[in-house]
Amino acid sequence: AQTVTQSQPEMSVQEAETVTLSCTYDTSESDYYLFWYKQPPSRQMILVIRQEAYKQQNATENRFSVNFQKAAKSFSLKISDSQLGDAAMYFCAYIPGANSKLTFGKGITLSVRP
Amino acid sequence: KAGVTQTPRYLIKTRGQQVTLSCSPISGHRSVSWYQQTPGQGLQFLFEYFSETQRNKGNFPGRFSGRQFSNSRSEMNVSTLELGDSALYLCASSLGTGGRGYTFGSGTRLTVV
Repeated sequence: AQTVTQSQPEMSVQEAETVTLSCTYDTSESDYYLFWYKQPPSRQMILVIRQEAYKQQNATENRFSVNFQKAAKSFSLKISDSQLGDAAMYFCAYIPGANSKLTFGKGITLSVRP
Repeated sequence: KAGVTQTPRYLIKTRGQQVTLSCSPISGHRSVSWYQQTPGQGLQFLFEYFSETQRNKGNFPGRFSGRQFSNSRSEMNVSTLELGDSALYLCASSLGTGGRGYTFGSGTRLTVV
């Protein structure tokens, strides 16, 4: 069974600083996708970044980037120049290539100090 | 472009009743998935519909059911509500399989008393 593990329940970062959120996963599939979703108090899950497993290049979206280590099954999210609006719960998620079921980690609550 | 719309936003039901939640996907999206989010269990997959057919199903009892209409709108039904069904129910839509990523709605907060 596929599992996604986010071992840190909470993290805090100073505004304008950089923070890294950790995620590991377990799968026997070779074709899969990984995601980071953000869930602010409004409850809507917002897709932050997406990584295709067959691509070695790490995905980047503006201030958000990932460190994808396929052999280690690690998928961390780096947020640069943290802003107050980045405060939210962040979920790491996995989906096999031909499947439709997202498996989520437990999430991490990120707070940003002004 | 309108996002994923879920109605109602909040719902309070009594134990033993049934409830129907609605989800309108992004225009053109044919896949609709449902997730249950609770503080204890986190986000759990309920089921996914594609072109009116249930394509994938999670590990929930038969009290949880769903359907999808020809316009891709989906409904989720929970019968004989239990206190443990209190949760945030999230709907997500996608063009096809989930590799492109799902777009989520803001959810329906169900409270069972």
